[in-house]
Amino acid sequence: GAGVSQSPSNKVTEKGKDVELRCDPISGHTALYWYRQRLGQGLEFLIYFQGNSAPDKSGLPSDRFSAERTGESVSTLTIQRTQQEDSAVYLCASSLGTSQYNEQFFGPGTRLTVL
Amino acid sequence: ELKVEQNPLFLSMQEGKNYTIYCNYSTTSDRLYWYRQDPGKSLESLFVLLSNGAVKQEGRLMASLDTKARLSTLHITAAVHDLSATYFCAVVSGYALNFGKGTSLLVTP
Repeated sequence: GAGVSQSPSNKVTEKGKDVELRCDPISGHTALYWYRQRLGQGLEFLIYFQGNSAPDKSGLPSDRFSAERTGESVSTLTIQRTQQEDSAVYLCASSLGTSQYNEQFFGPGTRLTVL
Repeated sequence: ELKVEQNPLFLSMQEGKNYTIYCNYSTTSDRLYWYRQDPGKSLESLFVLLSNGAVKQEGRLMASLDTKARLSTLHITAAVHDLSATYFCAVVSGYALNFGKGTSLLVTP
């Protein structure tokens, strides 16, 4: 498809387990972003990838969170030893490049529930 | 730290009525977005406002930006049920977007 895709759409896990969320950006988009949306809240920035540059991890809430991106394609967000406070919708976005004038296009999100 | 505040957070309005949603932000930014989110769905871009005094309109929605006051408004004219959704404003800071908490709009007959 032409848009940003994410998988799985829903994930239920037990506290303490690790989870991996996937994002496929729009083809040709060099910039990729992860955001978290807690219930009833706006989106919180987590991490940003631009091409082969070192990612900006300044929004990651703890060292249990990590993300990788292969070149300018797929990205995975990993949460280790999940906690109930990690329950949220995780949204991925991509944009054409580094300019702040490049619009971000969002995927449908992964709803994570930690029991 | 850039802070973005929206009000109201919840809004119930009758069809045919007008209302305005407000978005205030704390530091200078030269780009502001309005997004719509339907339940269980992702964000849909509505407007991008780039400069002071910018005004954009699409159907029953009109957005404006006052960079001096650090204020954007989203005005709803003659609301219809299809406009029921959550509306977010977001301000660019560097390359990341800083979002307000959203305004949940319910339009009733």
